[in-house]
Amino acid sequence: EVQLVESGGGLVQPGGSLRLSCAASGFTFSSYWMSWVRQAPGKGLEWVANIKQDGSEKYYVDSVKGRFTISRDNAKNSLYLQMNSLRAEDTAVYYCARARYSSSWYFDIWGQGTMVTVSS
Amino acid sequence: SYELTQPPSVSVSPGQTARITCSGDALPKQYAYWYQQKPGQAPVLVIYKDSERPSGIPERFSGSSSGTTVTLTISGVQAEDEADYYCQSADSSGTDVVFGGGTKLTVL
Repeated sequence: EVQLVESGGGLVQPGGSLRLSCAASGFTFSSYWMSWVRQAPGKGLEWVANIKQDGSEKYYVDSVKGRFTISRDNAKNSLYLQMNSLRAEDTAVYYCARARYSSSWYFDIWGQGTMVTVSS
Repeated sequence: SYELTQPPSVSVSPGQTARITCSGDALPKQYAYWYQQKPGQAPVLVIYKDSERPSGIPERFSGSSSGTTVTLTISGVQAEDEADYYCQSADSSGTDVVFGGGTKLTVL
């Protein structure tokens, strides 16, 4: 069964850091681009970051550039999101997703999400 | 920044046809994708490349494109189809991922 399982969410103070993890199974993880997508409470979906199969290319939404870092470990079938200098507006459910490309990106497999709350 | 516009809500009775639209200037050049999200659950891809249906998605879900508008059509709506639906595409360069604001489908 194709599966993505996120972990690492929690409550963090403004300015703090958090590292999210995503464990992949049921498919050849190293063959796919991977992404993080977030959803603030009661709001819509927002793409956060993409990473190429070998980690050599990474793309971010403007609002997280310089603060968030996406990475992966293909030997462990795992995706990560290091989040620094967190702000209240980063509060959201963070989803790990498998990315596909056909003139534009889309996401065919999603994890169940992990909640990040930034508050004092 | 590029935006995709969806109606906030659509309501239909069971067995009827629901149509959810999504408008954006780059849609004639870029494919559109549709996701279904039920409360407390992760999104599920229901349509890709404007009109293709992933395996496991019921045939009552279909997609179409005309100019700057794409449409998700759900024929013979069932109670289980009640959910939020999001369109997604990219700007004309294909680099920025953009989601519509979402449409809440209510089955009366």
